Amino acid sequence: QQQVKQSPQSLIVQKGGISIINCAYENTAFDYFPWYQQFPGKGPALLIAIRPDVSEKKEGRFTISFNKSAKQFSLHIMDSQPGDSATYFCAASSAGGTSYGKLTFGQGTILTVHP
Amino acid sequence: KAGVTQTPRYLIKTRGQQVTLSCSPISGHRSVSWYQQTPGQGLQFLFEYFSETQRNKGNFPGRFSGRQFSNSRSEMNVSTLELGDSALYLCASSFGGPLSYNSPLHFGNGTRLTVT
Repeated sequence: QQQVKQSPQSLIVQKGGISIINCAYENTAFDYFPWYQQFPGKGPALLIAIRPDVSEKKEGRFTISFNKSAKQFSLHIMDSQPGDSATYFCAASSAGGTSYGKLTFGQGTILTVHP
Repeated sequence: KAGVTQTPRYLIKTRGQQVTLSCSPISGHRSVSWYQQTPGQGLQFLFEYFSETQRNKGNFPGRFSGRQFSNSRSEMNVSTLELGDSALYLCASSFGGPLSYNSPLHFGNGTRLTVT
């Protein structure tokens, strides 16, 4: 019940295309859904996050959407650029007292954007 | 504002030895969490400290331990190292309340531990 399932494992997109990464969860106590971007040799960096009372959030070329009834959320990268090539992780957390500091991560998606 | 700082960046140890990793959180952050990242298991939560107290713990054996100092700096210790402990160990910090849109988790660049 604590898992977050992420797909696809890897994704190859041409420059200018749209990259879509999907995540699904089981734990209905989750109420915070961030996305992280990780480049080789670096730690995960917070990319964008959404609250469960919001269905969509857009920041520049990055859009995240949230479907509470389906327990799914996704990341769309518009006009994908070679510099977007990285590993993307979805994550979830709950506000409960036993969840301090704990994010449950998806398995990650390796995105490659070809020039 | 400086980010989360971890030292050292790389470590090579032998099976059976022990190792200590250090972390300095973002200024003003009082919560420090530790994660293990491996290709097979992904990112897994180890434990979280706030005001020098462990508030949360993941499913790792007792060989993995940590502590936090009064200045919020934290250390993580792994005793009796095993080959399977080879991983990237990530430290992250936040203000201290439940993780949320207004209090996200910020990660350092990690310590790469290799056990031979």
